[in-house]
Amino acid sequence: GNSVTQMEGPVTLSEEAFLTINCTYTATGYPSLFWYVQYPGEGLQLLLKATKADDKGSNKGFEATYRKETTSFHLEKGSVQVSDSAVYFCALSDRSGGTSYGKLTFGQGTILTVHP
Amino acid sequence: DGGITQSPKYLFRKEGQNVTLSCEQNLNHDAMYWYRQDPGQGLRLIYYSQIVNDFQKGDIAEGYSVSREKKESFPLTVTSAQKNPTAFYLCASMKGDKQETQYFGPGTRLLVL
Repeated sequence: GNSVTQMEGPVTLSEEAFLTINCTYTATGYPSLFWYVQYPGEGLQLLLKATKADDKGSNKGFEATYRKETTSFHLEKGSVQVSDSAVYFCALSDRSGGTSYGKLTFGQGTILTVHP
Repeated sequence: DGGITQSPKYLFRKEGQNVTLSCEQNLNHDAMYWYRQDPGQGLRLIYYSQIVNDFQKGDIAEGYSVSREKKESFPLTVTSAQKNPTAFYLCASMKGDKQETQYFGPGTRLLVL
């Protein structure tokens, strides 16, 4: 079956520090990959996505590259802000077809706290 | 504005009681999903529906039921058979037609009295 593994949290950084949150996956076929962000007490928002190998998703200074050879989709940001404090989820989309199409499998989430 | 609404924001359940969580979307999306979120865990899929009047069990369907009588609505009932219902419940929708991005509602937090 499909699975997603994220680095253990929580992650605590100072403002303007470099961020990496690791994500690796196991899937049959070639899934699409996503990063979602969840602010306290809210639902999830799509941060970025990549649909095929070597694609780079980017948004709001965050980037992640779909690495098929290492089955990874690590999230990076060069300079974090206090407003980036949230929970980040890596996910993959089942593309095997039929009723399973579009089903998301999530990692356990990584809590990021950024201090001024 | 288009979006997904969930109500109520907080819901309290007594022992042996069924409760229903509402999810409505005006995005004209075909597929809808229910997830459960527990502290320190990722989201787990409860039920999903790709078309009106049809739905499938997800990974943790026991103790839950759904209906999809209208395209825009996908209510979730937490039955008394669900022994540990305290969690944050998230509804999502997706356009379908090979579009894979799911859009999430703000969630409902269910607490047991």
